[in-house]
Amino acid sequence: DSGVTQTPKHLITATGQRVTLRCSPRSGDLSVYWYQQSLDQGLQFLIQYYNGEERAKGNILERFSAQQFPDLHSELNLSSLELGDSALYFCASSAGDYLDAGELFFGEGSRLTVL
Amino acid sequence: LAKTTQPISMDSYEGQEVNITCSHNNIATNDYITWYQQFPSQGPRFIIQGYKTKVTNEVASLFIPADRKSSTLSLPRVSLSDTAVYYCLSFSGGYQKVTFGTGTKLQVIP
Repeated sequence: DSGVTQTPKHLITATGQRVTLRCSPRSGDLSVYWYQQSLDQGLQFLIQYYNGEERAKGNILERFSAQQFPDLHSELNLSSLELGDSALYFCASSAGDYLDAGELFFGEGSRLTVL
Repeated sequence: LAKTTQPISMDSYEGQEVNITCSHNNIATNDYITWYQQFPSQGPRFIIQGYKTKVTNEVASLFIPADRKSSTLSLPRVSLSDTAVYYCLSFSGGYQKVTFGTGTKLQVIP
């Protein structure tokens, strides 16, 4: 158990809909990272937050947005969903606002299926 | 973030030692080298990290040559449960996109 909690574990929805994925980082970790993993693909970095502020941004679509709240949990909002958005979405956390050494702790992921 | 290159897949028999090599293009002076393991439908898990020479823990060894242009993850006496995807990363301090490549899919055969 990494200590990172993601909900929901599974989500099935239709094209055009909007969903929210939630992540609670490990106790004491201030950074949250979001990743997307499509079938047989590597992990695609989406965005990182540190203590409520955006720190780094990857190839995150404009239809996607995220935020980190004062209690440090984070939400990833996906809107106008398309079939290609079906993927595993992982959240990870780390202690500091940058990662030169040490590790990322990953949650178990949220599997999104868009029909 | 420095770009890394590693084999797409490898097969190994149970009980053998497996070495997975990663090349690190444009690795910076202060970059660390880190390896993660991912089982199907699970989040990646940290395995080992090093800066230079050799690092060993209870799971694996990491060999980094003097020029640091490559690294080799060594898994001793693999078992079926070591079947997973292994990712190498290199990164340095500062705000960055902590990016994983496609990894190496290791299949352990009985």
